[in-house]
Amino acid sequence: AQSVAQPEDQVNVAEGNPLTVKCTYSVSGNPYLFWYVQYPNRGLQFLLKYITGDNLVKGSYGFEAEFNKSQTSFHLKKPSALVSDSALYFCAVRDGGSNYQLIWGAGTKLIIKP
Amino acid sequence: GAGVSQSPRYKVAKRGQDVALRCDPISGHVSLFWYQQALGQGPEFLTYFQNEAQLDKSGLPSDRFFAERPEGSVSTLKIQRTQQEDSAVYLCASSLGGGIQETQYFGPGTRLLVL
Repeated sequence: AQSVAQPEDQVNVAEGNPLTVKCTYSVSGNPYLFWYVQYPNRGLQFLLKYITGDNLVKGSYGFEAEFNKSQTSFHLKKPSALVSDSALYFCAVRDGGSNYQLIWGAGTKLIIKP
Repeated sequence: GAGVSQSPRYKVAKRGQDVALRCDPISGHVSLFWYQQALGQGPEFLTYFQNEAQLDKSGLPSDRFFAERPEGSVSTLKIQRTQQEDSAVYLCASSLGGGIQETQYFGPGTRLLVL
């Protein structure tokens, strides 16, 4: 069965420091991986996705993610955190079959402290 | 351009009432998805449309839930005889094509509270 794990409920980072939000996945076929961000009372906003090709994917707002097939991970990273990055981050996966569903992690709350 | 819009943004219903939630996808988007998001959790898939065809409704939790997209654009999610466990945020998303690699773009959601 497909699944996504975000092992940290919350990540605290000082402004200006690098940040990492972890995601691991399990699918039967080739994974299609997505990161979204959710601000309070707003919808999910797309950040980036991995479909194929280069393992390092760059996305919106300076975020990037690294696909690691051997570790089945797709961690979200940013070199220098901003206070405005504080939000709820979701990792999602879809396998390469005909299933169109996105399977979501439980989310990680990212808090950036000034 | 305009994004995905949903209405109402908030809905309070008494247990047993029927509710209808509307989704206006991005113009020209072929695919439309409905998700349910409980407090503190990630979204869970409910149903998927490609144009007017409902290709997957495996996530609908019971026969009280019904979705339609009759003209391949606006979609309505209807919940009959609402129960307290239906309280959640209902998210609608659309994508341009029907490909599995497509990005889904989300609306702001409808927060449903069943008393």
